[in-house]
Amino acid sequence: AQKVTQAQTEISVVEKEDVTLDCVYETRDTTYYLFWYKQPPSGELVFLIRRNSFDEQNEISGRYSWNFQKSTSSFNFTITASQVVDSAVYFCAIDNQAGTALIFGKGTTLSVSS
Amino acid sequence: GAGVSQSPSNKVTEKGKDVELRCDPISGHTALYWYRQSLGQGLEFLIYFQGNSAPDKSGLPSDRFSAERTGGSVSTLTIQRTQQEDSAVYLCASSLELAGDNEQFFGPGTRLTVL
Repeated sequence: AQKVTQAQTEISVVEKEDVTLDCVYETRDTTYYLFWYKQPPSGELVFLIRRNSFDEQNEISGRYSWNFQKSTSSFNFTITASQVVDSAVYFCAIDNQAGTALIFGKGTTLSVSS
Repeated sequence: GAGVSQSPSNKVTEKGKDVELRCDPISGHTALYWYRQSLGQGLEFLIYFQGNSAPDKSGLPSDRFSAERTGGSVSTLTIQRTQQEDSAVYLCASSLELAGDNEQFFGPGTRLTVL
């Protein structure tokens, strides 16, 4: 069965620091999708990225970048020059075998102080 | 509407009572999901609806939980004989078809407190 592990429960950084959130997944599928979601203090989950298992290219979107490595079953997320507005809980997820739901990690709480 | 809406935003109930939680998905989204977010368990999948297909109920924790989706749009999650361990935030999401192929858009959730 699918499983996602986010070993970092909480991370605290000071503004402008770079921070990497780790995500390790388990699956027996050859085709799968990986996701990152952000949950700010307001509570609503916000989609950040979806990655197909066949696409191992790293992706950059502004200050955000993602490193997908199938060899280590990892899909890490880096925020460059962090800002206070980045403070949130970040969830990594994988779609289940049936493709009917997402299996989420426990989340990493990121606190960015000024 | 512009996004997924859920009602009520907060619900306080007494142990043993039944509750109904409502979800209005984004117009045109054929797939609808219910998840539960609690402190100890994180985000857990409950049930998935896709068009006229039989729902995937594999995540429902007990037979006290049920859900329906009428007319392929609005969904209601019903919890019968609520227990204190049912206290959680219940999140609804919708997407275009399958979970893996498409981004899921989440609603603001319903915070359920069982006294």
